[in-house]
Amino acid sequence: AQKVTQAQTEISVVEKEDVTLDCVYETRDTTYYLFWYKQPPSGELVFLIRRNSFDEQNEISGRYSWNFQKSTSSFNFTITASQVVDSAVYFCALSEATQGAQKLVFGQGTRLTINP
Amino acid sequence: EAQVTQNPRYLITVTGKKLTVTCSQNMNHEYMSWYRQDPGLGLRQIYYSMNVEVTDKGDVPEGYKVSRKEKRNFPLILESPSPNQTSLYFCASSGDQGFWTDTQYFGPGTRLTVL
Repeated sequence: AQKVTQAQTEISVVEKEDVTLDCVYETRDTTYYLFWYKQPPSGELVFLIRRNSFDEQNEISGRYSWNFQKSTSSFNFTITASQVVDSAVYFCALSEATQGAQKLVFGQGTRLTINP
Repeated sequence: EAQVTQNPRYLITVTGKKLTVTCSQNMNHEYMSWYRQDPGLGLRQIYYSMNVEVTDKGDVPEGYKVSRKEKRNFPLILESPSPNQTSLYFCASSGDQGFWTDTQYFGPGTRLTVL
């Protein structure tokens, strides 16, 4: 069965520090998709990134980067030079090919607080 | 503006009183889903729909019903709400390739309290 674990319930750092949010997943499928979503204090959910299981290239988007390692079943998210606006709850999610393109399993979420 | 709307945004009700949370999207999306968010559990999928008249259960469908009579609307029905259905509910939609290739857009959320 598919499962996503975000072991860090809460993280608090000072602005400009780098911070990494961990995501570990479990799946028996060879084809699957991984996602990160952001939920700022206002409550909406915002899509950040999608990665399929055949693409292990790391991704960088501005201050955000993602490290996908199939060997450790991890899809970690790093924010470089964090800013107060990065404060949010971040969710990692998994979709297995055998379950179809509409089934999605989320991790528990990591609440990130960036202090000025 | 592309968006997913939900109504009501906040609802306090009593056990057993049937209620419907509406969801509508203006992007002509085929795929729609309902999730509930609970502290420590993240988001869990309740039901999803691939197109009109095509729906399927997610991970926590008990106590919920859905219908998809029109492409743009995907209401969530609680026929006999119970306190354990107190939660934050999100509706979402994505295009005809599903969220494997298309961005999934979420509604603003509905906070439901069942007394």
